[in-house]
Amino acid sequence: SYDLTQPPSVSVLPGQTATISCSGDNLADKYVAWYHQKPGQSPVLVIYVDVQRPSGIPARFSGSNSANTATLTITGTQNVDEGDYYCQAWDKTAGLFGGGTRLTVL
Amino acid sequence: QLVQSGAEVKKAGESLRISCEGFGDTFYNLWIGWVRQRPGKGLEWMGIIFPGDSDTRYSPSFEGQVKISVDKSISVAYLQWSSLKASDTAVYYCAKWEFWSYNSSGQFDSWGQGTRVTVSS
Repeated sequence: SYDLTQPPSVSVLPGQTATISCSGDNLADKYVAWYHQKPGQSPVLVIYVDVQRPSGIPARFSGSNSANTATLTITGTQNVDEGDYYCQAWDKTAGLFGGGTRLTVL
Repeated sequence: QLVQSGAEVKKAGESLRISCEGFGDTFYNLWIGWVRQRPGKGLEWMGIIFPGDSDTRYSPSFEGQVKISVDKSISVAYLQWSSLKASDTAVYYCAKWEFWSYNSSGQFDSWGQGTRVTVSS
């Protein structure tokens, strides 16, 4: 079965750049989406098809996907960006999520 | 825009059906999916359904464990269990799935508020 691997946690200072990785075999052959979930809330889509931002998502969120790794980048991280981030892709006949990364803004 | 049914407390072995509704007249032409989140754990992609023809895709992990269905006459999607287990305790989200490329990529772009299911043994 196909797996998406994320680091359990990432820490960043306010105003700095946070990068969250998502790894899978030949992941660049797939499109990746990213979701942000705050405690007690439903997830929110922040990036889809590797690089697209949905309406209402700030421009500080960006994505890339190359070789075996997709990356979510938050430039000028703010306190409101804390929470869990999940990557998601499609494999054969179904979707799947990565294990999630807890982003802490120090 | 997706509204889910309320929290449930059940016993192991009981059956359950939870619901998700929204998007009015356009529901017929949308893919609706379900995501599980166990306490303190990550998101798990369960499956999606197209109300227009009930085409359903299950994650291999959930095939045969749950049933996803719709009643398109009232724009409601369902997730059901015939015999619950304690390990089914989780929050279940419904969400609108959008295929970017049909049957090869997509994402959930609108989420319900979640339904908490608690199963005691």
